[in-house]
Amino acid sequence: SQQGEEDPQALSIQEGENATMNCSYKTSINNLQWYRQNSGRGLVHLILIRSNEREKHSGRLRVTLDTSKKSSSLLITASRAADTASYFCATWAGGTSYGKLTFGQGTILTVHP
Amino acid sequence: DTAVSQTPKYLVTQMGNDKSIKCEQNLGHDTMYWYKQDSKKFLKIMFSYNNKELIINETVPNRFSPKSPDKAHLNLHINSLELGDSAVYFCASSQGLAGSRGGADTQYFGPGTRLTVL
Repeated sequence: SQQGEEDPQALSIQEGENATMNCSYKTSINNLQWYRQNSGRGLVHLILIRSNEREKHSGRLRVTLDTSKKSSSLLITASRAADTASYFCATWAGGTSYGKLTFGQGTILTVHP
Repeated sequence: DTAVSQTPKYLVTQMGNDKSIKCEQNLGHDTMYWYKQDSKKFLKIMFSYNNKELIINETVPNRFSPKSPDKAHLNLHINSLELGDSAVYFCASSQGLAGSRGGADTQYFGPGTRLTVL
């Protein structure tokens, strides 16, 4: 079964607004990563948050992690048209799972200029 | 300079054919991966190689065979293609093997190969 599930599946906002995407997962994790995928392109790593961290920032991105609820959120502040993309969370269980990232189905974000 | 490159970008073929997708990374990474992204954008890992050694082999039909001639290349060969194989296949690489340094390394993805089986 799928590890990460994102919510909402699609989000449409105006430029300048904030965008919040949520990710829920089922099993214990070592870390959680967020990736962006522009249409027709590969995924690009955005940010990684470890299981012992609650919040992390990178530029206009803010990620939170609540391991008790097995959920994470990605906030993009002051969105731009160039932020239009699909956003995926990916979890790493740790231990002997090595490089195995388990991806969610993604949130399609559309930012209207 | 493309970090992770894949060829071809598009592949259209008939059922029953055999095809290969090539992947190369110039990042000096030790670990490479193959992922399959279906029509619903669900991305699932298929294989992972570390220094040419198979590390992850998910439940993938044995019609799919990865080959790593050196640590900069990981090719995917698919025999007897089926309609359900139609998807976008992504190659990725990372510095090391997640877990070896206490955390999953960032993975760098190629642009994808869109495979259409008719």
